[in-house]
Amino acid sequence: GQNIDQPTEMTATEGAIVQINCTYQTSGFNGLFWYQQHAGEAPTFLSYNVLDGLEEKGRFSSFLSRSKGYSYLLLKELQMKDSASYLCAVRGGFQKLVFGTGTRLLVSP
Amino acid sequence: GAGVSQSPRYKVAKRGQDVALRCDPISGHVSLFWYQQALGQGPEFLTYFQNEAQLDKSGLPSDRFFAERPEGSVSTLKIQRTQQEDSAVYLCASSPNRHRGSSGANVLTFGAGSRLTVL
Repeated sequence: GQNIDQPTEMTATEGAIVQINCTYQTSGFNGLFWYQQHAGEAPTFLSYNVLDGLEEKGRFSSFLSRSKGYSYLLLKELQMKDSASYLCAVRGGFQKLVFGTGTRLLVSP
Repeated sequence: GAGVSQSPRYKVAKRGQDVALRCDPISGHVSLFWYQQALGQGPEFLTYFQNEAQLDKSGLPSDRFFAERPEGSVSTLKIQRTQQEDSAVYLCASSPNRHRGSSGANVLTFGAGSRLTVL
């Protein structure tokens, strides 16, 4: 089976940095994805990690440690529009994406 | 099309009614997925198509749920005799390549979903 854990909710201030953690246990591993989802909208792709290390893309970075079953999404210079749910998902041995419950991030002024 | 299109965006059904939800994937995308998302939860896998072939339907919650993609493009998710627990957002996603044996990100692009409310 597959199990993916991430915090339910986080709060942060505009301009700050926030780190959203994700731990996973899967029967196979073929990549870890982060998606952003605003209320009532489609999840949109943020990042993909398949090898250990940090992937940086503008204000967003994602890190992966396969030996620890651990990833984090780092958001810098937070903006109000970053208030959304952030979904961690693992592609396991059967190729489909398995999602965590999502972390709802609230950015305040 | 430019993105994944789903219809209807909102559907209200009385318990026991049948519903059909449509997904138009990105043109040329081989793989198509259906997910169910309850309020405050992450998407839960329902089923997967590679072209017209349904390769994985392990996530369908009961035999009241049926999905098809007869010509390898548009897909329909049908729910028979709807129950209140079927109330959720149904998300469709497509990706360019087949998943078995492919490498690379092969990112899933999601539609905005169909919100089903069963009274």
